[in-house]
Amino acid sequence: DSGVTQTPKHLITATGQRVTLRCSPRSGDLSVYWYQQSLDQGLQFLIQYYNGEERAKGNILERFSAQQFPDLHSELNLSSLELGDSALYFCASSVAPTSGINEQYFGPGTRLTVT
Amino acid sequence: DAKTTQPPSMDCAEGRAANLPCNHSTISGNEYVYWYRQIHSQGPQYIIHGLKNNETNEMASLIITEDRKSSTLILPHATLRDTAVYYCIVRVGRWGGSEKLVFGKGTKLTVNP
Repeated sequence: DSGVTQTPKHLITATGQRVTLRCSPRSGDLSVYWYQQSLDQGLQFLIQYYNGEERAKGNILERFSAQQFPDLHSELNLSSLELGDSALYFCASSVAPTSGINEQYFGPGTRLTVT
Repeated sequence: DAKTTQPPSMDCAEGRAANLPCNHSTISGNEYVYWYRQIHSQGPQYIIHGLKNNETNEMASLIITEDRKSSTLILPHATLRDTAVYYCIVRVGRWGGSEKLVFGKGTKLTVNP
């Protein structure tokens, strides 16, 4: 158990719909990362938040957005869903050590199926 | 961040050491080598990291060549539960900008009974 929790575990929805994935980081971790894993693309970085502020963006679609709340939990919002958005979505968290060493701890993921 | 090259798959007998190689010939002086693994659709798991010295923890050992152009992750006594995809990632040891991890295809390690 990494200490990172994600809900829900599974989500099945229809094209065009909107869903929200939730992540609670490990206690004390200020950074949250979102990754997408699909069969053809592998693990891809989407976005990072640090202490409530967006820190970095990867190839995140404009239909996707995220935020990190004052209690440090994060939500990833996916809208106008398409079949190709079906994937595993992982959240990870880390502290911000001054050494620059970055061990990320991943949650169990949310499996999204768009039908 | 430097690119890495790993064999797509490897097999290992249960109880034997698993040695997973990674080539990172363009690594620069301030880049660390990280290893993560992913057991069948679970979240990736951090294993170990190193800069230039060999490192060991409760999970594995990391051997980095003197020129730092390659490294080997060693699982000393592989078990069936070590069957997973192992990712070698090189990234700068710096806090600033993005701390994203760039995952390649990794090595699929199969531990056989």
